[in-house]
Amino acid sequence: GAGVSQSPSNKVTEKGKDVELRCDPISGHTALYWYRQSLGQGLEFLIYFQGNSAPDKSGLPSDRFSAERTGGSVSTLTIQRTQQEDSAVYLCASSPDRAGDTQYFGPGTRLTVL
Amino acid sequence: GESVGLHLPTLSVQEGDNSIINCAYSNSASDYFIWYKQESGKGPQFIIDIRSNMDKRQGQRVTVLLNKTVKHLSLQIAATQPGDSAVYFCAENSGGAQKLVFGQGTRLTINP
Repeated sequence: GAGVSQSPSNKVTEKGKDVELRCDPISGHTALYWYRQSLGQGLEFLIYFQGNSAPDKSGLPSDRFSAERTGGSVSTLTIQRTQQEDSAVYLCASSPDRAGDTQYFGPGTRLTVL
Repeated sequence: GESVGLHLPTLSVQEGDNSIINCAYSNSASDYFIWYKQESGKGPQFIIDIRSNMDKRQGQRVTVLLNKTVKHLSLQIAATQPGDSAVYFCAENSGGAQKLVFGQGTRLTINP
C-alpha cells in the first residue's frame, strides 16, 4: 500500500515569506507527527495529532509555526515569516493507533530559506 | 530528564564485517524501543523494534539487544553490505507517552 507522502519535496523561499508543507499519512493511521531535521542532526519533535484529541504542540519552536489536520487525515504545517534558521528537512510520520508505537515516515520536505 | 543518545556519531566498518551500533537511554520507564535507518535524502525507515519484556530480537541480518540494567540498546548488523550505509537512529517510548524520543544518530559507512 501507499506510504506517507509529503509535498513539496523541496521548497525554496525568501526570508519573511510564509510556507505550507503538506503530509498525507497512511490511510487509517490515527496518529500523525511532524519533525524537523537540520543537516546532520537528529529528529526534533514539533507536533503530534491523535484522532480527535487536542494536538500536542509542545515541540513547536515559536508561534510562527502551526499545524492543522483536517478530517483526521491530511495535515498542513505552516511557517509564517520564515527565517533562515527554519531551513531544514521537515518530516511527517504516522502510526496506526496507539501513541508512541512504530511510526512510518514520509520522505520529507527540504525547506531552504534564503 | 529523558534522553536517548548514541555513543559514537560515526562508525566505519569493512564490507562483510559485522556492525554494532550502540544507544544509551536514561528513562528507566522506557518500555518500547525502535531502530530506524535513514539513507541520504530519505525519511527514516523502520528496521526493528523491541519491548522491554525482551532482551533480544532478531530480524533479517539485524539483531537488537536490550540491557535494561544499564539502560543500553544496540543494533547488530551481520555481514555489512554497501547498502547498509546510512544514519541509524534509536528511539524510545515510555508507556503512555505521546511521542517517541529519538537519539542523535550514528552514521555507518562501509569500506570496500
